[in-house]
Amino acid sequence: DAKTTQPPSMDCAEGRAANLPCNHSTISGNEYVYWYRQIHSQGPQYIIHGLKNNETNEMASLIITEDRKSSTLILPHATLRDTAVYYCIVRVVLPGTASKLTFGTGTRLQVTL
Amino acid sequence: DADVTQTPRNRITKTGKRIMLECSQTKGHDRMYWYRQDPGLGLRLIYYSFDVKDINKGEISDGYSVSRQAQAKFSLSLESAIPNQTALYFCATSRGHGYNEQFFGPGTRLTVL
Repeated sequence: DAKTTQPPSMDCAEGRAANLPCNHSTISGNEYVYWYRQIHSQGPQYIIHGLKNNETNEMASLIITEDRKSSTLILPHATLRDTAVYYCIVRVVLPGTASKLTFGTGTRLQVTL
Repeated sequence: DADVTQTPRNRITKTGKRIMLECSQTKGHDRMYWYRQDPGLGLRLIYYSFDVKDINKGEISDGYSVSRQAQAKFSLSLESAIPNQTALYFCATSRGHGYNEQFFGPGTRLTVL
């Protein structure tokens, strides 16, 4: 699976959009980009994933560059409850294989008043 | 009720003791995983199981063993605990298809003195 690079920490004012970048310059054509978050030692929580196209769900938007070497997770209106460590994960998805996730150290997002 | 439960939630034990961490799920998922997390680090995969008859080692399986007693139960054992196994342990589940999200339990905080 391709390695990812994320900034160790970011701050965001409550109500503003939080844009979390992720670099995955060695990504290959069949690797997906996943985002999870972990709130204060709780179990990680799935946010969103994508392959090529931008994706949006009720939690966030995922913007993947055309060359797929980087992506950005967008929380449109950050709240204090979004304070967490955000993990960007890249992995191959093949039928019949394990859904293994390799977590790096992530980005610690601090949402402030 | 939680879909993925872990017992115990906290455990303190001594070096050399045998410890079992248990995970149960009501999601009906085939796949189950054990991860550990050390302070300031991401999660690392210990073992994973596609179904009751399938057990696979992850990246850090040494010193651990697992048992998949039923589709809904996946136990992690430390045969002879050592201090560097002090960590936060997470169980996770996912459906059969590789692109599906993983659902994590609340974690077990294990301290080995």
